[in-house]
Amino acid sequence: GAVVSQHPSWVICKSGTSVKIECRSLDFQATTMFWYRQFPKQSLMLMATSNEGSKATYEQGVEKDKFLINHASLTLSTLTVTSAHPEDSSFYICSARDWGDEQFFGPGTRLTVL
Amino acid sequence: GNSVTQMEGPVTLSEEAFLTINCTYTATGYPSLFWYVQYPGEGLQLLLKATKADDKGSNKGFEATYRKETTSFHLEKGSVQVSDSAVYFCALTGGGNKLTFGTGTQLKVEL
Repeated sequence: GAVVSQHPSWVICKSGTSVKIECRSLDFQATTMFWYRQFPKQSLMLMATSNEGSKATYEQGVEKDKFLINHASLTLSTLTVTSAHPEDSSFYICSARDWGDEQFFGPGTRLTVL
Repeated sequence: GNSVTQMEGPVTLSEEAFLTINCTYTATGYPSLFWYVQYPGEGLQLLLKATKADDKGSNKGFEATYRKETTSFHLEKGSVQVSDSAVYFCALTGGGNKLTFGTGTQLKVEL
């Protein structure tokens, strides 16, 4: 149980375009979802926390207008990277939490911006 | 702020060898401590956790003890298997259940 999926697993886009990444909890209802970013050989850095039906809470230094997060249902959250640039290339990971305190992680999405 | 430092990898061991991956932390208050494992192509999975000083978390033969006096949470396993090859992340939660991760340590176990 407690499976989280991400789609796509890998995406390449041109600079200036927008990319949407989906995160789904497949067998539980996620009251809270988290979005992380991971650079090579570095930690996972929390970008934002989203609760179903409310606005996401962004970490300091994360541009909310650039990284749009929507958590419209208890099983789906989306991260849209708007006007992507090469420096946005990274590995994006989501996690989901039900009523407990354990986070369940998706497999990640590799974004490459040309 | 909170931070986690863990040893750089990759760590390469022979099967049945003893494993230690060091992890130290800096945090205010009394954090909970975690080890996550990421197998190739999969998401992070919780391996074990400890919520207070002197607690020992254990799972699948892995153990880690919450040492407040040394601010450490070292991961150990007495006899590793090839199937243990993965990336291991040490992490902690402070207020608000936000996770702070270390950089990860890749473990390679060879026959």
